[in-house]
Amino acid sequence: GAGVSQSPSNKVTEKGKDVELRCDPISGHTALYWYRQSLGQGLEFLIYFQGNSAPDKSGLPSDRFSAERTGGSVSTLTIQRTQQEDSAVYLCASSQDGTGHQGDTQYFGPGTRLTVL
Amino acid sequence: DQQVKQNSPSLSVQEGRISILNCDYTNSMFDYFLWYKKYPAEGPTFLISISSIKDKNEDGRFTVFLNKSAKHLSLHIVPSQPGDSAVYFCAASSNTGNQFYFGTGTSLTVIP
Repeated sequence: GAGVSQSPSNKVTEKGKDVELRCDPISGHTALYWYRQSLGQGLEFLIYFQGNSAPDKSGLPSDRFSAERTGGSVSTLTIQRTQQEDSAVYLCASSQDGTGHQGDTQYFGPGTRLTVL
Repeated sequence: DQQVKQNSPSLSVQEGRISILNCDYTNSMFDYFLWYKKYPAEGPTFLISISSIKDKNEDGRFTVFLNKSAKHLSLHIVPSQPGDSAVYFCAASSNTGNQFYFGTGTSLTVIP
């Protein structure tokens, strides 16, 4: 059934605080991706999970960003000591097998809009 | 460094006419290209894709053209409908990685 869901839909926080964003992928999808979209920018790749492991963390912008995935399902993206430049829409996507292309369609959640004051 | 570029941030088209959205890429290793459509407050939804072994893929009103020598792809929507008004992202990937590289999007407005 359900598509990819994300929570919260909106988050306003003060600079320096930690935030945790959640993604529930489509049931049975082994691959999970996190992206962010800053104002006027494209979708910026952050991290990719295959099952519970993250073979590609190359997009995480700093060590303040971390993500985990448990049980091959839910993923959380944590941003520590948030900065104003972290303000963006954070999007999660899942795909069936994570081959990354050639028919492996990514299904996106609605995103979490993060505002750091 | 933006590897996938959509140089037109916006486009307006009359209903019934053709909409042409363009996308350029720099990485010659890209071999799979996708278009996504995004409505406000929703995540992008997959629209159509094309493999580098083809130069055209058609699905109903939507056709994607790929020109590998020019590193250019385009999405044609004909006839355009008001419900097509959305932001369109192109994306590309290569068989050497799992990343998809997205453009900055083009906001399409179809005028009734």
